[in-house]
Amino acid sequence: DAMVIQNPRYQVTQFGKPVTLSCSQTLNHNVMYWYQQKSSQAPKLLFHYYDKDFNNEADTPDNFQSRRPNTSFCFLDIRSPGLGDAAMYLCATSRVEGSNQPQHFGDGTRLSIL
Amino acid sequence: TQLLEQSPQFLSIQEGENLTVYCNSSSVFSSLQWYRQEPGEGPVLLVTVVTGGEVKKLKRLTFQFGDARKDSSLHITAAQTGDTGLYLCAGRMGTGRRALTFGSGTRLQVQP
Repeated sequence: DAMVIQNPRYQVTQFGKPVTLSCSQTLNHNVMYWYQQKSSQAPKLLFHYYDKDFNNEADTPDNFQSRRPNTSFCFLDIRSPGLGDAAMYLCATSRVEGSNQPQHFGDGTRLSIL
Repeated sequence: TQLLEQSPQFLSIQEGENLTVYCNSSSVFSSLQWYRQEPGEGPVLLVTVVTGGEVKKLKRLTFQFGDARKDSSLHITAAQTGDTGLYLCAGRMGTGRRALTFGSGTRLQVQP
């Protein structure tokens, strides 16, 4: 049973055309994360929500925005995708922050830019 | 600058061989987790270590957290093709509301 679901699995967009990736969770976890993972590299944290409290990483470009309308859903908006934004985008959840709780990952959305 | 360095970056071995993957940092971590990621999927947690010097076993996998909580190792005994994947260590610094820092990853290929 999938607990962190990302849609779509594959997304193709044009250079500069806004795109939204979605993530939903059935775990009722407080924290949701968005990571960017480029080929053969470690996931890089973009931002995370603790409930409605938004936490942006210092080096996340302004081009990336996020919304969390409720506990279950979180969206990643890329306002003007560039070629360098082609990557796997991973959503993850955890019950709380700052503890040894595991992060539960979705299977990712692979974004391609034409 | 990568806070967590993993070595080796790539490893290709034959089924049945043993291997060790290392995760090193100059920073102290309050806890460290190991994840495995298979192609086209998200990372899946293998283990969490918290105490300096702690050793945890998960079937053929043995995880160790360094005494100073700055490094960790993953040892696989008698590797199987199903062990193939990207192994990621991830550490949490300090206490409070801290996000995980992921290591650079080790890509393991086990040949039949």
